[in-house]
Amino acid sequence: GQNIDQPTEMTATEGAIVQINCTYQTSGFNGLFWYQQHAGEAPTFLSYNVLDGLEEKGRFSSFLSRSKGYSYLLLKELQMKDSASYLCAVRDYGATNKLIFGTGTLLAVQP
Amino acid sequence: DSGVTQTPKHLITATGQRVTLRCSPRSGDLSVYWYQQSLDQGLQFLIQYYNGEERAKGNILERFSAQQFPDLHSELNLSSLELGDSALYFCASSVERWEAGALQYNEQFFGPGTRLTVL
Repeated sequence: GQNIDQPTEMTATEGAIVQINCTYQTSGFNGLFWYQQHAGEAPTFLSYNVLDGLEEKGRFSSFLSRSKGYSYLLLKELQMKDSASYLCAVRDYGATNKLIFGTGTLLAVQP
Repeated sequence: DSGVTQTPKHLITATGQRVTLRCSPRSGDLSVYWYQQSLDQGLQFLIQYYNGEERAKGNILERFSAQQFPDLHSELNLSSLELGDSALYFCASSVERWEAGALQYNEQFFGPGTRLTVL
């Protein structure tokens, strides 16, 4: 089966650092994505990990441990505009790039 | 703007009706994916088409069907609508690149979505 778990909600303070965790148990694995989604809008791509380790991209970093079925997204120097849902998604294995999404983590950044 | 377009933006209809949602992928993208996002669930993969052919299927109901046309736009048809079908429907597109017999990762670009309300 497919199971991707993330915390439902998180709150953090402007300027701080927040870590959003994702654990997965899927029948196939060919990489893990993080997407950002503001309410009522389309998801936008943040990061992709296929090998273990940390990928850094500006204020955003993403980590993957395949043996533990675990990933996290790290957001630094939080800004009010970072208030959004953060979606963890696993790329299925095989001749497809279809994504299996978790339910998302709603992050509220407070002043 | 991702380059993926979806119409209509909003759709309000009654139970038992049939609707068609339309998606135009980014220029050059051959793959189109359809996702459903309802309030109590995350994004759920429905179906993928690649260059006119069905490539992968998720938990798509039998009342739902899709197709991709020669100009690569895609349509998602929802019939015998129920209250529970109310959701945001997104399509996404991507290129496909193969290396050494393996499909390489390609980012999916999402359209703005169609909000379907079934009354």
